[in-house]
Amino acid sequence: DAKTTQPNSMESNEEEPVHLPCNHSTISGTDYIHWYRQLPSQGPEYVIHGLTSNVNNRMASLAIAEDRKSSTLILHRATLRDAAVYYCIPPGNQFYFGTGTSLTVIP
Amino acid sequence: NAGVTQTPKFRILKIGQSMTLQCTQDMNHNYMYWYRQDPGMGLKLIYYSVGAGITDKGEVPNGYNVSRSTTEDFPLRLELAAPSQTSVYFCASSPGLGAFFGQGTRLTVV
Repeated sequence: DAKTTQPNSMESNEEEPVHLPCNHSTISGTDYIHWYRQLPSQGPEYVIHGLTSNVNNRMASLAIAEDRKSSTLILHRATLRDAAVYYCIPPGNQFYFGTGTSLTVIP
Repeated sequence: NAGVTQTPKFRILKIGQSMTLQCTQDMNHNYMYWYRQDPGMGLKLIYYSVGAGITDKGEVPNGYNVSRSTTEDFPLRLELAAPSQTSVYFCASSPGLGAFFGQGTRLTVV
C-alpha cells in the first residue's frame, strides 16, 4: 500500500508562510492527493486535494511536483489557529493517516 | 448544517461490556468510515462502507462490527470491550473525494 513521508514537526512564526512537504513516491496517474488537518481535541478536517496542477482554496494552496511524487501544502500566512497536525494522504490509499506533521505557530 | 454526528461524546465501559457507537450523516454520502486514534498516533481504519448494505474491513477490525442499513447511519458495535479498545473513535463520510469527520467519541475501557 502507498505510504507518505512527512516531517514529524515544524514551526512557523505567526503571519509568515508555511510550506509543509510530503513525499508519496508510489503514485498512479489517476490518484488524487489529499491533505487534512486535525486541531487539538477535534476530528480531522479536509483542507485540499489535487491531481496534477497546483490548487488553491480559501484555506491553503497545494503545489504538486511534476512527477507527482511529492506535494507541498502552503499556508500563506500562518495564524495561531493553524496550529494542528497536518496529514498528507497517500494517493491511491485514501484510508491511510500516518502520524502527520505537527505544526507549531509561534506568536 | 449537522454534517457527521457521533454519539456519545464520552463513555466509560467495563471490561467485557458491549456498546454501540452511533454515527449519522445528513449529506447523502455513499462512503462512510470508522477510525480509531490512540494517543499521539495517527488514525487507523476499522471498517468502511461504500453504500447501504455494503461494508468491509479496514486495518484493525478485530473486536468490532458494523452495519449499514441506510445511507445515513453507520453504527460501530464493540463486543466484549477490552482495555486495548480505549481510544478516540472518529466516523467520517465522503462523496468520493474528500471526507468529513465527526467530533469523535472518547471511549475508556476499565
